[in-house]
Amino acid sequence: AQSVTQLGSHVSVSEGALVLLRCNYSSSVPPYLFWYVQYPNQGLQLLLKYTSAATLVKGINGFEAEFKKSETSFHLTKPSAHMSDAAEYFCAVSRSSASKIIFGSGTRLSIRP
Amino acid sequence: EAGVAQSPRYKIIEKRQSVAFWCNPISGHATLYWYQQILGQGPKLLIQFQNNGVVDDSQLPKDRFSAERLKGVDSTLKIQPAKLEDSAVYLCASSNTDYYGYTFGSGTRLTVV
Repeated sequence: AQSVTQLGSHVSVSEGALVLLRCNYSSSVPPYLFWYVQYPNQGLQLLLKYTSAATLVKGINGFEAEFKKSETSFHLTKPSAHMSDAAEYFCAVSRSSASKIIFGSGTRLSIRP
Repeated sequence: EAGVAQSPRYKIIEKRQSVAFWCNPISGHATLYWYQQILGQGPKLLIQFQNNGVVDDSQLPKDRFSAERLKGVDSTLKIQPAKLEDSAVYLCASSNTDYYGYTFGSGTRLTVV
C-alpha cells in the first residue's frame, strides 16, 4: 500500500525566509510523487512531480523538491517566501500514470509580513 | 485548453435530501476521478473511471453514493440520501494515460444541514 505523511499541519514563515514543507512516503514500488497547492475556494494545482527522472525537481512559482530514496522523503522548498505563497500544500503519491493519486493530509503555509 | 468544468460551485441541502454534481473533463482525457475533501483533510478518492468503465470504487459508499460516466465524457456523482458527514468539497479531475498527475476542477462545496 502507498501513503504519504506530511509533517506539520501548519507552517509559518516570514516573507523572504526559506520555505520547507516536509513529506515522507511509503511505497512498495518505485513511486511517482507530487506536490499540489490549493488556494482558498479553489481546486488543486500541480506544483511539481517526480517520475523517476532527475531527483531534483523544479516546479512553478520557484518551488522545488528533492527525491531522497534513502530517506523516503520528498520535501518541498522555496528559497524566499512571498505573501502569495500562503495556501494549503498537499504531497501525494501514485504507482503509475494510470493509477490513483493518494494525498497526504496537507500543510497550511502562512507568511508573516 | 479548457480546464475541468464542475457545477454547481456551491450547494446547500437538508439531510436526507438528494444532490447531484456534474463534471466535464478536459477533452480527450480518458481517465476521470471524483474525490471527496472534508475540511482540514486531504482529498480522498471516491471513484475512478477509465473511459466509461469503473476502475476503482472501493472507497465509494455505495449505499448512498452513485456515479456514472456516459459515453466516456461527462460524469455525474449523486448522493441519496445525504448525511451531515457528507459536507465536503467534491473535486473532479481528469488525466491522460501518459501524463503523470491530474488536472482538477474547482470543486463543488456541499453543505448538508
